[in-house]
Amino acid sequence: DAMVIQNPRYQVTQFGKPVTLSCSQTLNHNVMYWYQQKSSQAPKLLFHYYDKDFNNEADTPDNFQSRRPNTSFCFLDIRSPGLGDAAMYLCATGEQGHHEQYFGPGTRLTVT
Amino acid sequence: GENVEQHPSTLSVQEGDSAVIKCTYSDSASNYFPWYKQELGKGPQLIIDIRSNVGEKKDQRIAVTLNKTAKHFSLHITETQPEDSAVYFCAASSSRDSGYALNFGKGTSLLVTP
Repeated sequence: DAMVIQNPRYQVTQFGKPVTLSCSQTLNHNVMYWYQQKSSQAPKLLFHYYDKDFNNEADTPDNFQSRRPNTSFCFLDIRSPGLGDAAMYLCATGEQGHHEQYFGPGTRLTVT
Repeated sequence: GENVEQHPSTLSVQEGDSAVIKCTYSDSASNYFPWYKQELGKGPQLIIDIRSNVGEKKDQRIAVTLNKTAKHFSLHITETQPEDSAVYFCAASSSRDSGYALNFGKGTSLLVTP
């Protein structure tokens, strides 16, 4: 089945220790998104890629970066995680020119 | 930017009853309105969507209505079942925005009791 895969599902990191979350997709979609969802809140878009073009939301902290080495994979790097970065991180994919977005299961990040 | 308001924040219904969740949006350029269902510990799942050139769409027990003039849209679930219990998010996006970014409402926690 075509799908969006996120690894790991649960990640624990220490305050200030860099962490990388990964997303892969078999849908062959050219757009990939990263959302942050804090407890009992709506998902909030951090950035998205159209192919290799990176688009950052204006209020995304500099602490968050992303890489997309190829169509199938996208990574979220948090350079110096703070306690406030504990959240569920959701990856989604879509096709340029189409509104539908398909989400992965998310990675729950805990910062100790 | 777009602002999406969603009500109610929690909703409890008896099995077999109907559930209605309402959203309003602020940006008249928004032209796509999806609804997502999120179960505990999982990612959001697209359950139904509607575009601005359509007033109503139905898929089995789920329907969505859109009033462009009033800038509001609603999700209707009929004959609710316990497995419908989840958090439901509405969202809006515009073809004008880069990547067709989704602006989500704050979610409605639906509980269906047997």
